[in-house]
Amino acid sequence: GAVVSQHPSRVICKSGTSVKIECRSLDFQATTMFWYRQFPKQSLMLMATSNEGSKATYEQGVEKDKFLINHASLTLSTLTVTSAHPEDSSFYICSAPGISGGLSYGYTFGSGTRLTVV
Amino acid sequence: SQQGEEDPQALSIQEGENATMNCSYKTSINNLQWYRQNSGRGLVHLILIRSNEREKHSGRLRVTLDTSKKSSSLLITASRAADTASYFCATDPNTGTASKLTFGTGTRLQVTL
Repeated sequence: GAVVSQHPSRVICKSGTSVKIECRSLDFQATTMFWYRQFPKQSLMLMATSNEGSKATYEQGVEKDKFLINHASLTLSTLTVTSAHPEDSSFYICSAPGISGGLSYGYTFGSGTRLTVV
Repeated sequence: SQQGEEDPQALSIQEGENATMNCSYKTSINNLQWYRQNSGRGLVHLILIRSNEREKHSGRLRVTLDTSKKSSSLLITASRAADTASYFCATDPNTGTASKLTFGTGTRLQVTL
């Protein structure tokens, strides 16, 4: 089945530095990738939608200059947290839709990245 | 917030028992999906039910959908310790294209031996 590989799984960085999270679709082409943020024991909140070859669409309240999204190829989407602060510490997850014949077959998620900013 | 609600928030049962989780949502949908999330991991797609379907089965999973009440339920029969996880419903409003899912608040299931 479809697999999305997300790296790194865990990262600790110092305040003020930037962190890049990668999501690769291994056996399919992901023209769209969704990026979520999840706080402990809470649900997923959509941050942005990346589309291959075009600018990402950000949800209301998400700072596009802070959370840079790049979707340069059909198999790679990246999220860069710039000038990270402790409040950016969270679990970040990417997801790509599974579509066949125009019908939705559920979404494939990466394994998540636990970001801790110290 | 357009987020769906799930209940219960937490459920603790013994192995072999059935677990039922409920999901309510607010907007019209094309389909509703259920996902499982083990602690500190990504989500795994369990089952998708379309708006014109009322019930669907997959192994030990049974999902119902009542679009008139904007609600769905997930039943896990003969639960196992390995079923311990958080379960989320997610609604998909569009037809065929890559659309934004709206996730419910989740149910944390604990299955004890």
